[in-house]
Amino acid sequence: AQSVTQLGSHVSVSEGALVLLRCNYSSSVPPYLFWYVQYPNQGLQLLLKYTTGATLVKGINGFEAEFKKSETSFHLTKPSAHMSDAAEYFCAVTPNYGQNFVFGPGTRLSVLP
Amino acid sequence: NAGVTQTPKFQVLKTGQSMTLQCAQDMNHNSMYWYRQDPGMGLRLIYYSASEGTTDKGEVPNGYNVSRLNKREFSLRLESAAPSQTSVYFCATNSGLPGGNTIYFGEGSWLTVV
Repeated sequence: AQSVTQLGSHVSVSEGALVLLRCNYSSSVPPYLFWYVQYPNQGLQLLLKYTTGATLVKGINGFEAEFKKSETSFHLTKPSAHMSDAAEYFCAVTPNYGQNFVFGPGTRLSVLP
Repeated sequence: NAGVTQTPKFQVLKTGQSMTLQCAQDMNHNSMYWYRQDPGMGLRLIYYSASEGTTDKGEVPNGYNVSRLNKREFSLRLESAAPSQTSVYFCATNSGLPGGNTIYFGEGSWLTVV
């Protein structure tokens, strides 16, 4: 069985500060890992994903995430927050045969001026 | 290219009424999903269809039925709506083929049961 935990339901950062959103997973098989972003009243959009290969993955809007197997983590970072980054972020996992996506509870990011 | 289209976008129902949420995709994907999103609980899978002609229960199937009408369409039906079904519903698809597949979402359907 798979599960995803996201530490912190709400994270606030100042504009220009580092963004760090935490994701830990459990999976009985090698997983594929995803981060999605949801802006108010919209659907979820893919931010980045890890499948195989390089463990540091770069996504859109300057975000990146690093897969650390030993820590079962896939934390999302951005060096400098922008006001437009305010949204809800979801971490997700699926086994590498591509079915049964499991989502974390989400972290709402606020960016303060 | 519309991607994943859901209708209706907003709906208010009275307790006990029935309704169907429609979802259509033009991505030629095999797998389709229905999720509900509630505050603090993320997305929870209601039903999914791995391919045309098959459907399976997800985490929270009670009170819902689904139909995979053809490869493009996957509908979600509430037979007798309850206030606990007030939520935002998302249809999603992915190719269903092995290997790092992205799941693509519709814009959501906001349902209120009074």
